[in-house]
Amino acid sequence: GQNIDQPTEMTATEGAIVQINCTYQTSGFNGLFWYQQHAGEAPTFLSYNVLDGLEEKGRFSSFLSRSKGYSYLLLKELQMKDSASYLCAFYNTDKLIFGTGTRLQVFP
Amino acid sequence: GAGVSQTPSNKVTEKGKYVELRCDPISGHTALYWYRQSLGQGPEFLIYFQGTGAADDSGLPNDRFFAVRPEGSVSTLKIQRTERGDSAVYLCASSSGTGRNEQFFGPGTRLTVL
Repeated sequence: GQNIDQPTEMTATEGAIVQINCTYQTSGFNGLFWYQQHAGEAPTFLSYNVLDGLEEKGRFSSFLSRSKGYSYLLLKELQMKDSASYLCAFYNTDKLIFGTGTRLQVFP
Repeated sequence: GAGVSQTPSNKVTEKGKYVELRCDPISGHTALYWYRQSLGQGPEFLIYFQGTGAADDSGLPNDRFFAVRPEGSVSTLKIQRTERGDSAVYLCASSSGTGRNEQFFGPGTRLTVL
């Protein structure tokens, strides 16, 4: 079967670093995506990993280990505007399978 | 150019009624996806179009749900005999292809069935 799991909520302080973990199980895997979703808005693309390793893009980095079925999103120098839900999703054949999302709250 | 647009932004209907939700993808995008998102959950796949044809409709919950994309651009999601459990945000996304191509999401239609 297919399964994807991430923590429901996390909190962090402005300026800090936070890591959001995601584990998945699937028989067909074509890459892993991270999306950001502010309340009441559409998800917006953050990162894509298809090979093992770390992809860095500004303050955001994403890591993938296919053998462990594991990914994380690393957010550095947190800002108040980073308060949002972060959705982990793997690409299976022709569609994205999303986790429930991790709601991140950044405090001053 | 413009992003993915969806209309209406909000739709309130009564149980048993028929509704149509519209999606205008980014111009030139061949792939179009419909997802449903309930409160506190991630988007749930419903159906995917490649051009005019539904390439995968395995996520449609039952035969009350149907979607079309007659000219390979605009798509309409149709729900017959709506039920209170259909209440959710319906998201549309488009991409220039499949696989690693990023999916661009529209703002969604919030459907409330009373």
